[in-house]
Amino acid sequence: GENVEQHPSTLSVQEGDSAVIKCTYSDSASNYFPWYKQELGKRPQLIIDIRSNVGEKKDQRIAVTLNKTAKHFSLHITETQPEDSAVYFCAAAQYSGAGSYQLTFGKGTKLSVIP
Amino acid sequence: NAGVMQNPRHLVRRRGQEARLRCSPMKGHSHVYWYRQLPEEGLKFMVYLQKENIIDESGMPKERFSAEFPKEGPSILRIQQVVRGDSAAYFCASSPGQLSEAFFGQGTRLTVV
Repeated sequence: GENVEQHPSTLSVQEGDSAVIKCTYSDSASNYFPWYKQELGKRPQLIIDIRSNVGEKKDQRIAVTLNKTAKHFSLHITETQPEDSAVYFCAAAQYSGAGSYQLTFGKGTKLSVIP
Repeated sequence: NAGVMQNPRHLVRRRGQEARLRCSPMKGHSHVYWYRQLPEEGLKFMVYLQKENIIDESGMPKERFSAEFPKEGPSILRIQQVVRGDSAAYFCASSPGQLSEAFFGQGTRLTVV
């Protein structure tokens, strides 16, 4: 099955700096890559996603890049703010038969933004 | 649309009892995923279901755990004869299908005493 590796597991940045989280995946057939943010005690929520037909997608301070050849994708957060502090999960969707896909998640990155 | 609803939010069980966790997907969603999250850890896939079918249960322990998603009603994750190691947050997520955003419920926090 799919294996998603995520690094780093913890990341501390000064407010205003950029944060980068990287993920690799093993199944070359995976073609949908969402990123989720989970604040303490809350549910994971989608913040951005990318499909395999594009290499980069941006939404205000958040951007995601995808390199299908190398099988890795990254989350970039610019001008970080204290409210960006959370655990971030990457995921890769792979075909699971009968026209359906399942999501496999990385282990998460705990981001701390220091004021 | 009320979103993905999970209940109960908190569940305490004694060792050996049964735990039943319920998940009502978003309206129009026919795909349900269950994940387990241990403290300070990531989301570990357990099972993927569509209505009346288990698509992939490769992440679910072979014994004591079962899941269903009947034609009518919520998806149920059932844990028989719970042990302390079953204590975790259990999240379900639903999606409308292929390559779509999965929406998570608030989770059920199971504590085995």
